[in-house]
Amino acid sequence: DAKTTQPNSMESNEEEPVHLPCNHSTISGTDYIHWYRQLPSQGPEYVIHGLTSNVNNRMASLAIAEDRKSSTLILHRATLRDAAVYYCILRDVQNAGNMLTFGGGTRLMVKP
Amino acid sequence: DGGITQSPKYLFRKEGQNVTLSCEQNLNHDAMYWYRQDPGQGLRLIYYSQIVNDFQKGDIAEGYSVSREKKESFPLTVTSAQKNPTAFYLCASSILLHNEQFFGPGTRLTVL
Repeated sequence: DAKTTQPNSMESNEEEPVHLPCNHSTISGTDYIHWYRQLPSQGPEYVIHGLTSNVNNRMASLAIAEDRKSSTLILHRATLRDAAVYYCILRDVQNAGNMLTFGGGTRLMVKP
Repeated sequence: DGGITQSPKYLFRKEGQNVTLSCEQNLNHDAMYWYRQDPGQGLRLIYYSQIVNDFQKGDIAEGYSVSREKKESFPLTVTSAQKNPTAFYLCASSILLHNEQFFGPGTRLTVL
């Protein structure tokens, strides 16, 4: 199974952009890159996903390297409510038995 | 309001007792999942179900059992065979097996 590597923690100031990196050097051609986040004492929530092209939605942007071996989740203006653990996950949708595998994630701390 | 509910939020049980955690969704989703989360760790998949009356073991199914008699409901039983049952349990659902997952608020089980 392709794995991801993320920093354990990051800090940001409120209202500044945040770039959360993820390395996935063994990614396969059919792996989608998913991001979820988990606020304290809550279940995770879906943030964004992509395959090759950069993606934008109301929550964040996903920048995918040309070789797909890394990606970056971008929060354009961090708020205190964005303090959470962010999980970068690879998912091969061609493999019926392939489930989301949540690693340790990156704990984002936002300072006022 | 559509969503996924888990009850109760906190649950205490004595060692050696079986306990059943509830998960209900009114999103009309076919797929449902159970995860376990230990402090400071990511999520691990216990069981998942693609459709009614069908379910598959995840990575850590030993000591757990599930049923899927109705589309809306996917209860998880933590049996006395589970060696370390104290954890945060999360239920999720998705339209189909590979779509975005929606998570419930979780049940924190403590076995005394």
